Amino acid sequence: DGGITQSPKYLFRKEGQNVTLSCEQNLNHDAMYWYRQDPGQGLRLIYYSQIVNDFQKGDIAEGYSVSREKKESFPLTVTSAQKNPTAFYLCASSQGAQPQHFGDGTRLSIL
Amino acid sequence: EDQVTQSPEALRLQEGESSSLNCSYTVSGLRGLFWYRQDPGKGPEFLFTLYSAGEEKEKERLKATLTKKESFLHITAPKPEDSATYLCAVLMTGFQKLVFGTGTRLLVSP
Repeated sequence: DGGITQSPKYLFRKEGQNVTLSCEQNLNHDAMYWYRQDPGQGLRLIYYSQIVNDFQKGDIAEGYSVSREKKESFPLTVTSAQKNPTAFYLCASSQGAQPQHFGDGTRLSIL
Repeated sequence: EDQVTQSPEALRLQEGESSSLNCSYTVSGLRGLFWYRQDPGKGPEFLFTLYSAGEEKEKERLKATLTKKESFLHITAPKPEDSATYLCAVLMTGFQKLVFGTGTRLLVSP
């Protein structure tokens, strides 16, 4: 079955620690995205990549970093500079103007 | 400013009580409008894409319509399993990224 796999499902971060969220897709989509979802707010775009080895900042990129070394993979690192990282993180992929398909998310909490 | 607004924020229905969810948008150019369903603790699940005013799409008890300024998601004779948050998102011309509304939380009671 084609889809998007996010791992881990739950993640805990200590103060001053960087953590990396994994996102893998086997849909052969060119574009991949990272969103943050907070209660009562819409999905906010962190970073997106339209092609391998290229990515752009979204609306809330500060404190986050990404890489896109392979078409299938788009990991997100939440750095210690992100002061309010507790949220539900969603990864998505798409091809052209077709709808984005989402993974089942990673819930990040602070210890 | 490009904006997508959904109303109501929350809606409680009795099983079989039909209603509509609204998504209004102000964007410079519409490339497509998408409806998603999201269950708690899960990622959004794609429902419909609408590309031009006057277009309609149907799936089981759901029907999505589009005008030049808004979209409606009509729910006919809903069942408890239709309970979820429904998200609307707009893809603008010249951009690859979606602008999401904050969603409508739907609760259908038996």
